[in-house]
Amino acid sequence: GAGVSQSPRYKVAKRGQDVALRCDPISGHVSLFWYQQALGQGPEFLTYFQNEAQLDKSGLPSDRFFAERPEGSVSTLKIQRTQQEDSAVYLCASSLYRAGEQYFGPGTRLTVT
Amino acid sequence: ELKVEQNPLFLSMQEGKNYTIYCNYSTTSDRLYWYRQDPGKSLESLFVLLSNGAVKQEGRLMASLDTKARLSTLHITAAVHDLSATYFCAVDISWGGTASKLTFGTGTRLQVTL
Repeated sequence: GAGVSQSPRYKVAKRGQDVALRCDPISGHVSLFWYQQALGQGPEFLTYFQNEAQLDKSGLPSDRFFAERPEGSVSTLKIQRTQQEDSAVYLCASSLYRAGEQYFGPGTRLTVT
Repeated sequence: ELKVEQNPLFLSMQEGKNYTIYCNYSTTSDRLYWYRQDPGKSLESLFVLLSNGAVKQEGRLMASLDTKARLSTLHITAAVHDLSATYFCAVDISWGGTASKLTFGTGTRLQVTL
């Protein structure tokens, strides 16, 4: 079956621009996670959804970051007024149930110039 | 705050040799994952370790978990070039079935040379 997909795969933004990153989880997966992976580092948790409810957003680095999953399926991570420190790979993962194994998408590499 | 430390951070191995990657974590958890990441690619799940003393093996890789020592190891037997990648451990700090929030180690970059 299809895995987690993300789009775009690469995004170049000028500092100050807004960006939107999309995640399509595995069909039927209840939980969806966003992680940020800086170059040479391990992924860091950003936020978590269970169905359409955002239950944990403790990892979002600033109020410029916003995530939604309005219908409990596709999710969008939005970054407003991008800064150079936002350059990273943004990974989406989904799991079948709340504490289940997470399956990761290919990521979106964001470069802010 | 949970800390997850891996060592070594970089490992250059000759083909055919054995080596172990260590993952130490700072708080109680009974669920630990190992992932592989190739350059420019996403994370591929290798092992899920769910209890103290768990040992899993797949090919040349074997992972174990000691929850009392807060330590997991990934052992590589007779390394081959195809194993060259970055390996991450990740600790799950969920409790009582609440959502998993993985905390990753810094990764071990493995390079297998001829």
